[in-house]
Amino acid sequence: DTAVSQTPKYLVTQMGNDKSIKCEQNLGHDTMYWYKQDSKKFLKIMFSYNNKELIINETVPNRFSPKSPDKAHLNLHINSLELGDSAVYFCASSQGTGGMETQYFGPGTRLLVL
Amino acid sequence: RKEVEQDPGPFNVPEGATVAFNCTYSNSASQSFFWYRQDCRKEPKLLMSVYSSGNEDGRFTAQLNRASQYISLLIRDSKLSDSATYLCVVNKNTGNQFYFGTGTSLTVIP
Repeated sequence: DTAVSQTPKYLVTQMGNDKSIKCEQNLGHDTMYWYKQDSKKFLKIMFSYNNKELIINETVPNRFSPKSPDKAHLNLHINSLELGDSAVYFCASSQGTGGMETQYFGPGTRLLVL
Repeated sequence: RKEVEQDPGPFNVPEGATVAFNCTYSNSASQSFFWYRQDCRKEPKLLMSVYSSGNEDGRFTAQLNRASQYISLLIRDSKLSDSATYLCVVNKNTGNQFYFGTGTSLTVIP
């Protein structure tokens, strides 16, 4: 059974379009995250939600809007896509907010903006 | 200055070798530390947490030096399957603000 799943796995789109990436976890965790991994492999946190509430919002353009309909899902909507948005986006989940928790990552969504 | 810095490598070592990676962090208030492993075109997975007293898991040993603000990972008797990128991760405080290093690439050669 897949613990953290993301759809789609690959996304190729034109500049200016709006797209969404979905994430679901079946681990019963209460905290979910979105990370961006750029071409230099640097993995940077974008958002973190705990029990559907936003708890971390790093300096991310407001074209990126996360939505958590329930604690098992955290979706990412991106408006007006730009070339620099091309990256791998990873969803992750963990249990709790103490800082010692293991994060479980989804397989990633490879976004290419043309 | 980056929150977490690692030597990107690459480290190319023969099977059976011992290899060590270091990672430094900038925030002295950091509370928790981890090593994750990321295979090519895959997601990161936890390798081990790093405890203040140091900890060992089979061929892997992690150490924390709070005074110098660095974390190390030692791999003994390297296997081909150890080839991957090793990511140092630091949590700044009691919360979910995890900072990843850029990773150190390891290739174990037959």
